[in-house]
Amino acid sequence: GAVVSQHPSRVICKSGTSVKIECRSLDFQATTMFWYRQFPKKSLMLMATSNEGSKATYEQGVEKDKFLINHASLTLSTLTVTSAHPEDSSFYICSARLAGVDTQYFGPGTRLTVL
Amino acid sequence: KNQVEQSPQSLIILEGKNCTLQCNYTVSPFSNLRWYKQDTGRGPVSLTIMTFSENTKSNGRYTATLDADTKQSSLHITASQLSDSASYICVVGSDNFNKFYFGSGTKLNVKP
Repeated sequence: GAVVSQHPSRVICKSGTSVKIECRSLDFQATTMFWYRQFPKKSLMLMATSNEGSKATYEQGVEKDKFLINHASLTLSTLTVTSAHPEDSSFYICSARLAGVDTQYFGPGTRLTVL
Repeated sequence: KNQVEQSPQSLIILEGKNCTLQCNYTVSPFSNLRWYKQDTGRGPVSLTIMTFSENTKSNGRYTATLDADTKQSSLHITASQLSDSASYICVVGSDNFNKFYFGSGTKLNVKP
């Protein structure tokens, strides 16, 4: 149980385009989802926390207008990287917190490459 | 300041040997501590979770210990296999809901 999926697993896009990444909790309802990015050989860095039906809370230094997060349902959150640049190339991972449980389950990650 | 520190940063061991990874934390209030395994290019996968009252938790060849008094945890891997090569991340959850503190991970390389 507690499976989280991400789509796509890999995406390559041109500089200036926007990319949407989906995060789904497959077998549970997630009141909270988290978005992380991870650079090579580095640990995960929390970008934002999103609660279903409300605006996401962004970590310091993360641009809200660049990384748009939508958490419209209890099983789906999306991260849109707008006007992507090569420096946005990274591994993006989402996680979901099961309602009433103080832990999180991670998705498999999305590798974004911006050319 | 809430922090999680892991050691060593990296470790190389021979297949079949045992190893122990360390995690020290200063997170307060404390809720739980999880060890995750992250293969390269994959999302973290949970190995064990322990709450304040638990001293040890096993998952196959993985055994985690927790000393809540000294705020230390360890992950012991027995009879290592090549597939154990990965990063191991210690994550401490705080009673301040939705707050999780990540260690920087230990990169384990198991060689034949």
